Amino acid sequence: DIQMTQSPSTLSASVGDRVTITCRASQSVSGWLAWYQQKPGKAPKLLIYKASSLESGVPSRFSGSGSGTEFTLTISSLQPDDFASYFCQQYNTYPLTFGGGTKVEIK
Amino acid sequence: QLQLQESGPGLVKPSETLSLTCTVSGGSISGTNYYWGWIRQPPGKGLEWIGSIYYSGSTYYNPTLKSRVTISVDTSKNQFSLKVSSVTAADTAVYYCARLGLYGKVDYWGQGTLVTVSS
Repeated sequence: DIQMTQSPSTLSASVGDRVTITCRASQSVSGWLAWYQQKPGKAPKLLIYKASSLESGVPSRFSGSGSGTEFTLTISSLQPDDFASYFCQQYNTYPLTFGGGTKVEIK
Repeated sequence: QLQLQESGPGLVKPSETLSLTCTVSGGSISGTNYYWGWIRQPPGKGLEWIGSIYYSGSTYYNPTLKSRVTISVDTSKNQFSLKVSSVTAADTAVYYCARLGLYGKVDYWGQGTLVTVSS
């Protein structure tokens, strides 16, 4: 199985901050990487697919980059609605696997 | 607007079989560009893909669960289902049904249903 490792596990930030979350794969997943946002008690929501493609309706302050084994999710200017958990997922190889998550908290 | 809704018992006894159904509305489960799958999340923990099915019945399962999991599809009812046998407390989780693109990104999720394994 491909292991997905996210860092940090928790991040404290303020409104307006630029935030970067990293996801590393144990082997190359090419560009087959997605990012999701999850709020408490809710299902995850797709933000980014194919490493850098923005899902329809997702604000442009979210962006993704990377390929191979290292990927980043960047929020250019953190908004109150962005305090949530974020997960990466590889879909290059079965079984599909997710990172352990990054919780973005209010500083 | 596509919607997915999980249904099934919220409490299952250890060693018994967990059964959930996902009803899809606002779109056909027989579309050629999508798989339909199950993903679970133990309380306070991360996400685990359980398996996926194509409308034709072709399946992929997570090897860690494969011996206990069956996913099936009923295109006439626009539903797909999950069975997990011989459950233990470790199977306690929120179970999500979801639509996956052909390559595996998850673009639609059900609201999730908590299944607790306890006697």
